[in-house]
This record gives sequence, structure tokens and C-alpha cells, in this order.
Amino acid sequence: DAGVIQSPRHEVTEMGQEVTLRCKPISGHDYLFWYRQTMMRGLELLIYFNNNVPIDDSGMPEDRFSAKMPNASFSTLKIQPSEPRDSAVYFCASSLSYGGAGYEQYFGPGTRLTVT
Amino acid sequence: GQQVMQIPQYQHVQEGEDFTTYCNSSTTLSNIQWYKQRPGGHPVFLIQLVKSGEVKKQKRLTFQFGEAKKNSSLHITATQTTDVGTYFCAGPTSGTYKYIFGTGTRLKVLA
Repeated sequence: DAGVIQSPRHEVTEMGQEVTLRCKPISGHDYLFWYRQTMMRGLELLIYFNNNVPIDDSGMPEDRFSAKMPNASFSTLKIQPSEPRDSAVYFCASSLSYGGAGYEQYFGPGTRLTVT
Repeated sequence: GQQVMQIPQYQHVQEGEDFTTYCNSSTTLSNIQWYKQRPGGHPVFLIQLVKSGEVKKQKRLTFQFGEAKKNSSLHITATQTTDVGTYFCAGPTSGTYKYIFGTGTRLKVLA
């Protein structure tokens, strides 16, 4: 398996522009997570899906952020309009649930977003 | 809300020295996971602990889950330059699959 795929790997945009980050989870995984990583705030969970349904979006910073998962093999995270404080590395991760005891998350390579 | 803290924040060691990072949760955890992130890379799953007092080993790495299931540790014996990176613990919010990641410990190994 190719692992979790994210695109683009790097994105530089100007303040006010719309940004769309894409993720393809590992085939067969039923959970998908979007994280944001910054030096100041560390690794933060933004939102996660189970079987394409958003379960918890309490980590989404504000209404400028939205995420969708139209099918089991694709998810997007959109920021509109973007602001300089959105600059961070955004990771997508997927996992396969089992037995209620927990699961390991497989992270994608991340998208480094710079908003100028 | 639930918080997961790690100490130390940074650690520099000479190659061959031992290293330990500690993870403390504000709430009892059903399980705890450990991840490693190399510089410029993404987090990679290392291990999961589930039972109170559980100890697991992976070659030079020893992981322990506290008796009260609120703390954990990772110990590396005889560090190597390949151990460089940031080590994160992560624990789930009660009753959910929402994992809260710790603040991380950045390890630097001096050759």
C-alpha cells in the first residue's frame, strides 16, 4: 500500500485566498483525522471522520475552516479566507478501528502551508 | 479539558547515553500510544499500551504504562544517532477515538 497520500506537499498563498488540502487514506481504513502542527501549539486534532461521517470537529479553529469526506478514499480540508496565522503543517492520518481498545494512526507526509 | 504533558521538552545526550521521556495525563487513559517524528517528517506509530503497569520492549526502547493509567514513560538504552527526533505520547479522550497528543520531547544525539 502507498500509505496515506496528501497533496500538495507545499502550498504558499496570499492572505485572503482559498486553500484546499487533499488526503487519500489507506484503503480499508474507517477513521480519518486532520491535524495541524505548529511550534507554538504542537500537534492539534482539527476534525475526525468515521465511515465518511464527521464525528468531532471541536478542534476546527473557526468558520474559515471546513472539511469534507465525500467517499472512503478522499477528504479535503479547506481554509477560506486564509490568514498568516494558518501557516502550519497539516497532517492527515487514517486508522482501522478494532475491538474498542484503540488503533494506530498512519500519518501522511503532511502539507506545509505558508500564508503571506 | 484533557491535557497530556511531556517532560523534558528537549534533551541532548551523547551517543551511547540513556534517555527517558515522561508523559502525564490529567485524566485516566484507557490506553496510550507513542509516536516518533523525525525532523521534517511525520509521526510514526511506535507502540500502544493498554493494561495498568504494562511494560513493553522494542529492542533498545522500553515503554511503561503507569499503575493508575495516567502516566507513561519511554526509555531508550544506549542512544544512537538514528534515535534523533521528537517523541510523542497520545491518549484518547474518554469514550472516544479522539487522541490528544502530548507536547513532545525533542531528542538530539551528539556523536
